[in-house]
Amino acid sequence: QKEVEQNSGPLSVPEGAIASLNCTYSDRGSQSFFWYRQYSGKSPELIMFIYSNGDKEDGRFTAQLNKASQYVSLLIRDSQPSDSATYLCAVIPSGAGSYQLTFGKGTKLSVIP
Amino acid sequence: GAGVSQSPSNKVTEKGKDVELRCDPISGHTALYWYRQSLGQGLEFLIYFQGNSAPDKSGLPSDRFSAERTGGSVSTLTIQRTQQEDSAVYLCASSLFEGNNQPQHFGDGTRLSIL
Repeated sequence: QKEVEQNSGPLSVPEGAIASLNCTYSDRGSQSFFWYRQYSGKSPELIMFIYSNGDKEDGRFTAQLNKASQYVSLLIRDSQPSDSATYLCAVIPSGAGSYQLTFGKGTKLSVIP
Repeated sequence: GAGVSQSPSNKVTEKGKDVELRCDPISGHTALYWYRQSLGQGLEFLIYFQGNSAPDKSGLPSDRFSAERTGGSVSTLTIQRTQQEDSAVYLCASSLFEGNNQPQHFGDGTRLSIL
């Protein structure tokens, strides 16, 4: 069973702080990693993807990947109340089915004004 | 619009009825995926299309579920003889090509409720 684990939260941070969201995965051969944001009652929205070890920055978002430790994280700088949502980590595992996204259950982020 | 379009947005039906859910992918996207999100559960993969063919139907939970795609575009997911456990949000996604480095973009989903 190829699994993706996330702390369900809720993670509460004050406005303007850095929010750090973490995700671990079981399939060592996984190649592609995605972060989706899901507002309550809405569909998942892709916000970041990363394929190589290291950091990838896009505006206030930074994705970090460490394949040796099998974890991927998402940092949100200068957090805003509008960032309050559930963040889903998704992984495409290696081998057969290497197009199926395997999702974690999500971390609920609450940014307090 | 430019995104993945799904219809209906909500569907309430009685147990035992058949339902058909529709997905119109982003124009030009060749790969199309169906997922299901149940209350308290993560998103689970159902089926994937590359063009009109479905190489992987392994996620379909039972033989009551079927899907097709025509013209390399619109897809329909059909659930026959619905059961209460079929209640969920059914999400469709598309990507430009099939492959493990292709971001998948989701539609707004169909919220299915079985009474």
